[in-house]
Amino acid sequence: DAKTTQPNSMESNEEEPVHLPCNHSTISGTDYIHWYRQLPSQGPEYVIHGLTSNVNNRMASLAIAEDRKSSTLILHRATLRDAAVYYCILIGNQFYFGTGTSLTVIP
Amino acid sequence: DTEVTQTPKHLVMGMTNKKSLKCEQHMGHRAMYWYKQKAKKPPELMFVYSYEKLSINESVPSRFSPECPNSSLLNLHLHALQPEDSALYLCASSHLSPQGFANTGELFFGEGSRLTVL
Repeated sequence: DAKTTQPNSMESNEEEPVHLPCNHSTISGTDYIHWYRQLPSQGPEYVIHGLTSNVNNRMASLAIAEDRKSSTLILHRATLRDAAVYYCILIGNQFYFGTGTSLTVIP
Repeated sequence: DTEVTQTPKHLVMGMTNKKSLKCEQHMGHRAMYWYKQKAKKPPELMFVYSYEKLSINESVPSRFSPECPNSSLLNLHLHALQPEDSALYLCASSHLSPQGFANTGELFFGEGSRLTVL
């Protein structure tokens, strides 16, 4: 099974950009790279996903390496509401979460 | 309607009880999922249904019995559970790719059912 590797935790100052890395060196050609975030006592919330090209939406940007073995979720201006656990997962024929990164936003 | 609704939100049961968790979506999704999440851990996949048929069972003990009676409903029947089964149970749904199995789009999650087994 393809797995993802993320730092356990990261900190960011409020209103500064945050770059959350994810390694997925065993990704297959049909796997999409998804990012979800989870607040305490809530279900995971979709953030963004992509296959090969960089993606932007109202929440974030996703930068995908050319070899697709890593990706970076970019929050352009962190707010206190962005404090959550962020999961990078590969979705295609599998739906497994990695350990996630707990993001702390400092006021 | 972009919601996945899970009931009940909280459930306390004894080890000899039989109970069920329910999940409902009306987004036309033909893939539905059960995940189990322990405190401070990532969600763990339990079951996947594609077109109302069980397509993935992650070697889950038989005391957990999933059921997908129609394309909008997913149940998880619980019987003879152990205290270590206490967790947040998450349901999710998604579209399926044209190939009929692999999901390419967003997973929509419910808020979860928090289960306590005494």
